[in-house]
Amino acid sequence: LAKTTQPISMDSYEGQEVNITCSHNNIATNDYITWYQQFPSQGPRFIIQGYKTKVTNEVASLFIPADRKSSTLSLPRVSLSDTAVYYCLVGDLPGTYKYIFGTGTRLKVLA
Amino acid sequence: EAGVAQSPRYKIIEKRQSVAFWCNPISGHATLYWYQQILGQGPKLLIQFQNNGVVDDSQLPKDRFSAERLKGVDSTLKIQPAKLEDSAVYLCASSFTSGQSYNEQFFGPGTRLTVL
Repeated sequence: LAKTTQPISMDSYEGQEVNITCSHNNIATNDYITWYQQFPSQGPRFIIQGYKTKVTNEVASLFIPADRKSSTLSLPRVSLSDTAVYYCLVGDLPGTYKYIFGTGTRLKVLA
Repeated sequence: EAGVAQSPRYKIIEKRQSVAFWCNPISGHATLYWYQQILGQGPKLLIQFQNNGVVDDSQLPKDRFSAERLKGVDSTLKIQPAKLEDSAVYLCASSFTSGQSYNEQFFGPGTRLTVL
């Protein structure tokens, strides 16, 4: 079973900021939180990873509160090309570095 | 840097036939993964290799699926005999192994299998 819960789908308009929240109530002390993006007919692609507070890269920001029971992926000023499925992942078992993908969040960006 | 290569990209077979998929990971990546992704679902890990040893194959249906990575580089996933429910995209991924944190997995384009 996936250890995370995220919305099944979201719609947004071009130029808007999109925030996708993921719940991981049973996250282990050693778990990192990782987000992947998957376009149709492609394999998933790593977006961002974090352990606590805030992480930012050229693509997205990841906000993690102190209790680490949830996280929010923030995509600034989305474009049509950001239409994809976004997966939030935490480790399955500590030390195994094994992910369990859930069904992800299907983001549709509208013109 | 070359990405993860997979072949074939598409395969159509009839049930009870056999099929094999090939994966060439990114050079230097010790860890290789095979995932099965059924339409509308997230990828499900079938097997994980560390060099040429199996780390996890708990979700591999061993009565019909087999995988090998003989020289610690390329890998082959085989299904024999195939069932209708094996229709899916088979994704190969690789990562550079580190003991510090979860490593970024680089995925190939996948092989779309249709079993008729």
